[in-house]
Amino acid sequence: GQQLNQSPQSMFIQEGEDVSMNCTSSSIFNTWLWYKQDPGEGPVLLIALYKAGELTSNGRLTAQFGITRKDSFLNISASIPSDVGIYFCAGQQSYGGSQGNLIFGKGTKLSVKP
Amino acid sequence: KAGVTQTPRYLIKTRGQQVTLSCSPISGHRSVSWYQQTPGQGLQFLFEYFSETQRNKGNFPGRFSGRQFSNSRSEMNVSTLELGDSALYLCASSFAPNHQPQHFGDGTRLSIL
Repeated sequence: GQQLNQSPQSMFIQEGEDVSMNCTSSSIFNTWLWYKQDPGEGPVLLIALYKAGELTSNGRLTAQFGITRKDSFLNISASIPSDVGIYFCAGQQSYGGSQGNLIFGKGTKLSVKP
Repeated sequence: KAGVTQTPRYLIKTRGQQVTLSCSPISGHRSVSWYQQTPGQGLQFLFEYFSETQRNKGNFPGRFSGRQFSNSRSEMNVSTLELGDSALYLCASSFAPNHQPQHFGDGTRLSIL
């Protein structure tokens, strides 16, 4: 099936640092979503993107829908300890006018630098 | 506004048993999707229900089934449980089929002994 390549798989952050992660595919998507999941909880929606080139912010988080429609990026500025968790990208394609299922990346795990 | 509610939160079963999980969507949401989350495979789509009808199905065996009630609440059932069915089962709701964004519940952690 379709795959989303999410990178990096994991990263360590120090408070105050900026963080970047991305999701790429060989196929075109018409919606990109970014979720964060904390241990023992379900994914929480961070940002939804619906248009190629769209740049959307949610507080310290900014996400972009790639112009080729095959990728998306998430940036976190001035990270804080509560940013740790697993971040997932998810994409949706269209098939003959109807919307497909959400396809998820494998996640980027953010941890605090020891 | 209440979020997506899944019950139970934790469940322990043995091989060969069957299990039923429940999901109540956000008020006003009529579409419910189910996902399986495992460390190895990540989040994988199981099926979606809208208006009490299965609209879409992922690549899972027939042991996995579901249904939706007139109040949009949904249940999923797994029969003849296998060790590999141990996972976090997540439910997500949205206004309409495959309408984004979907909002997730906290899941049911199913462990098979």
